[in-house]
Amino acid sequence: QQQVKQSPQSLIVQKGGISIINCAYENTAFDYFPWYQQFPGKGPALLIAIRPDVSEKKEGRFTISFNKSAKQFSLHIMDSQPGDSATYFCAASKAAGNKLTFGGGTRVLVKP
Amino acid sequence: GAVVSQHPSRVICKSGTSVKIECRSLDFQATTMFWYRQFPKQSLMLMATSNEGSKATYEQGVEKDKFLINHASLTLSTLTVTSAHPEDSSFYICSARDAGAGYGYTFGSGTRLTVV
Repeated sequence: QQQVKQSPQSLIVQKGGISIINCAYENTAFDYFPWYQQFPGKGPALLIAIRPDVSEKKEGRFTISFNKSAKQFSLHIMDSQPGDSATYFCAASKAAGNKLTFGGGTRVLVKP
Repeated sequence: GAVVSQHPSRVICKSGTSVKIECRSLDFQATTMFWYRQFPKQSLMLMATSNEGSKATYEQGVEKDKFLINHASLTLSTLTVTSAHPEDSSFYICSARDAGAGYGYTFGSGTRLTVV
């Protein structure tokens, strides 16, 4: 059973455009929702994370929107740059220290 | 910030041999480390959770006798792939959480294992 569903699988965006990636979860016990960026041959790196007590969090060009009632959260990458071309994973976990459940990933290509 | 050092970054071994992968938390104590496996163009699949000083907890379908995990100290966890076969070729990644830094999980840089 896939507990975190991520879409789209791939995304092509022009430089300066907005990349939007969506995730939906099933387990209402999840209370930590991070987004990771992964470049080929490297481990994932934390981009931004949100807890369910807020509906939006922004860090630089990256924004998480969270809809608790719909059990959905999304990542918006504003002013997308070629250097943002990578695979992005959403994830979720319940309580501190517990294992992360990952979405399937989205490969983003930003064209110059 | 928290750093997890993973070695080696790449390893090629012959079928039937064993390979050890190390993960060290450099500036924090990691009571729990997570080991993942990632096939090309796929997501991370959790293999096991290791806790310092106790036996690892393996996810369903992961052979504990094939993937030996040791977490002997608060800063070091190792994954040994025993009697490796070509189907074990994959990207292995460890992760740990710095309890003093909130919820954030830090990942190692990964190990590309190729079994020939």
